[in-house]
Amino acid sequence: SQQGEEDPQALSIQEGENATMNCSYKTSINNLQWYRQNSGRGLVHLILIRSNEREKHSGRLRVTLDTSKKSSSLLITASRAADTASYFCATTKAAGNKLTFGGGTRVLVKP
Amino acid sequence: ETGVTQSPTHLIKTRGQQVTLRCSSQSGHNTVSWYQQALGQGPQFIFQYYREEENGRGNFPPRFSGLQFPNYSSELNVNALELDDSALYLCASSGNPTSDLGTDTQYFGPGTRLTVL
Repeated sequence: SQQGEEDPQALSIQEGENATMNCSYKTSINNLQWYRQNSGRGLVHLILIRSNEREKHSGRLRVTLDTSKKSSSLLITASRAADTASYFCATTKAAGNKLTFGGGTRVLVKP
Repeated sequence: ETGVTQSPTHLIKTRGQQVTLRCSSQSGHNTVSWYQQALGQGPQFIFQYYREEENGRGNFPPRFSGLQFPNYSSELNVNALELDDSALYLCASSGNPTSDLGTDTQYFGPGTRLTVL
């Protein structure tokens, strides 16, 4: 079963716009991670946020975590066509243990 | 490039057959996790190997089994293949799972696409 739910399931934006996607989860976590997947291939790790953190930045990515609401958001600023991919959030209850993934958000960035 | 490699890239089998998938972990990593990703869904955890021992298992039947070798590479074996086993199989390597910091990130290989006919 999936721990997280991503919202929206699909997103279509113009190049240069911002893309925001949300993730909700059900149980307490140690950390939450975001991954990108291109065309059904391997997952690329984007960013990790620990349960005691509220916000992290990495380049054009901004992640927030609200443990009281059991939710996280990923913001991609100034999107590019190369950002077209599926984005997954994944949680872990203990450091180094299994990742529990949501169903993903499919993002299309139109040039 | 994560340094995690998987073979083969694609595989076609028939129902009832057995399959072995292989994964080489990133240098310096001693933990390998396997995931199954059905089309249009998120990956689901199969099991994890740490220092050649199983270190956690998801909700998969015993016909899914694995091995980890002294060089930390790993195999996933699936017996008595069923049509629903058709999926992308991903392995991920990471550091010591008992350490709290700096080892949480799992680095994924490109996957093996298994089709069961």
